[in-house]
Amino acid sequence: QKEVEQDPGPLSVPEGAIVSLNCTYSNSAFQYFMWYRQYSRKGPELLMYTYSSGNKEDGRFTAQVDKSSKYISLFIRDSQPSDSATYLCAMSRPGANNLFFGTGTRLTVIP
Amino acid sequence: GAGVSQSPSNKVTEKGKDVELRCDPISGHTALYWYRQSLGQGLEFLIYFQGNSAPDKSGLPSDRFSAERTGGSVSTLTIQRTQQEDSAVYLCASSSPRRGENEQFFGPGTRLTVL
Repeated sequence: QKEVEQDPGPLSVPEGAIVSLNCTYSNSAFQYFMWYRQYSRKGPELLMYTYSSGNKEDGRFTAQVDKSSKYISLFIRDSQPSDSATYLCAMSRPGANNLFFGTGTRLTVIP
Repeated sequence: GAGVSQSPSNKVTEKGKDVELRCDPISGHTALYWYRQSLGQGLEFLIYFQGNSAPDKSGLPSDRFSAERTGGSVSTLTIQRTQQEDSAVYLCASSSPRRGENEQFFGPGTRLTVL
């Protein structure tokens, strides 16, 4: 079993829709949670970074962490065609040097 | 300032040849990471540098893989006697001591194809 599980999609939504992206994980030691956006043939770009449980909002993006369920989410409001990309969740634990990534969810926002 | 840069952007090589991939991190970032991204797979950690030393090489898949970092800046990932299963995108990331090692900033990657 992978430490981080993410539905690869693909996910296709109409412009203006609310998008929900999710990851689950098995290691309760994870404390730091990230969402990256990766456009085709580009490197991942850090979107959101949260520590422990709770919500964090940045513009149209909201990240949620539920440590009791080992479940994290990224919500995108008023989705735009420019949001079309692969979204990767990542997490880390204290003392670790590397991030643990999900496989990514490919999102397409249709104009 | 400038982001993480990597070269070459694409590399096609024949099975059995050696390849060198270069990473130039963000200025002032002391930590540097190499990851590999294969089709349909998440990013796989390869190696971590703090300054010029590599305290964590646990992700290197075989002894054909090695990496070095000089002057606390540029890093080179070398793959010897390449195999077809080495085909992937190799991503480099760096992080700042001020913002913490969990905020990693990635380069565009080198797409390696082994024929």
